[in-house]
Amino acid sequence: KAGVTQTPRYLIKTRGQQVTLSCSPISGHRSVSWYQQTPGQGLQFLFEYFSETQRNKGNFPGRFSGRQFSNSRSEMNVSTLELGDSALYLCASSLGVAADTQYFGPGTRLTVL
Amino acid sequence: GESVGLHLPTLSVQEGDNSIINCAYSNSASDYFIWYKQESGKGPQFIIDIRSNMDKRQGQRVTVLLNKTVKHLSLQIAATQPGDSAVYFCADLIGSGGGADGLTFGKGTHLIIQP
Repeated sequence: KAGVTQTPRYLIKTRGQQVTLSCSPISGHRSVSWYQQTPGQGLQFLFEYFSETQRNKGNFPGRFSGRQFSNSRSEMNVSTLELGDSALYLCASSLGVAADTQYFGPGTRLTVL
Repeated sequence: GESVGLHLPTLSVQEGDNSIINCAYSNSASDYFIWYKQESGKGPQFIIDIRSNMDKRQGQRVTVLLNKTVKHLSLQIAATQPGDSAVYFCADLIGSGGGADGLTFGKGTHLIIQP
């Protein structure tokens, strides 16, 4: 069974731009969670989607948003990029809700110049 | 805010020795704990998990111990191998029965295996 896939793997943007990242969960998994990883703050929870609905949201500004499609694939969007948004963005999928074991993808490395 | 933390940022052990990585959590409502391993350039890889109704759980070469009294979690790796070199994170979840707010991760311990 294929694991969690994320595209693109690397991305370079400039301040003020917006970006969309994509995540395909493990087949059969219905929950997708997004995390931001930086050297200073570590891994921080962004939001979780289940059955196309956002169930939970972490403490991030409204510039960070996401959605989930009927096939469980998910996208996250960051608008008006700031230098501090440079990070590794990780997607994790789980069978049901986030309380089930979460399996992570390889991440998308976003660099904001 | 309340979070999960690890005691040491770096741990160096000899190949073949046992490794113990520690983690302290502060929220007594945490009821699900997971250990992840992250190698350079990769996403976190699930190692083992434990729920709060258990004290110990074993996997292949790994054991997780949970002490709810002192809110302490540890990961024991037996006979460490070069492939065990990675950053290890503990994470917890509150409300595993529903209404969870995502995993809260500790800062990580970098395990270095000396030949």
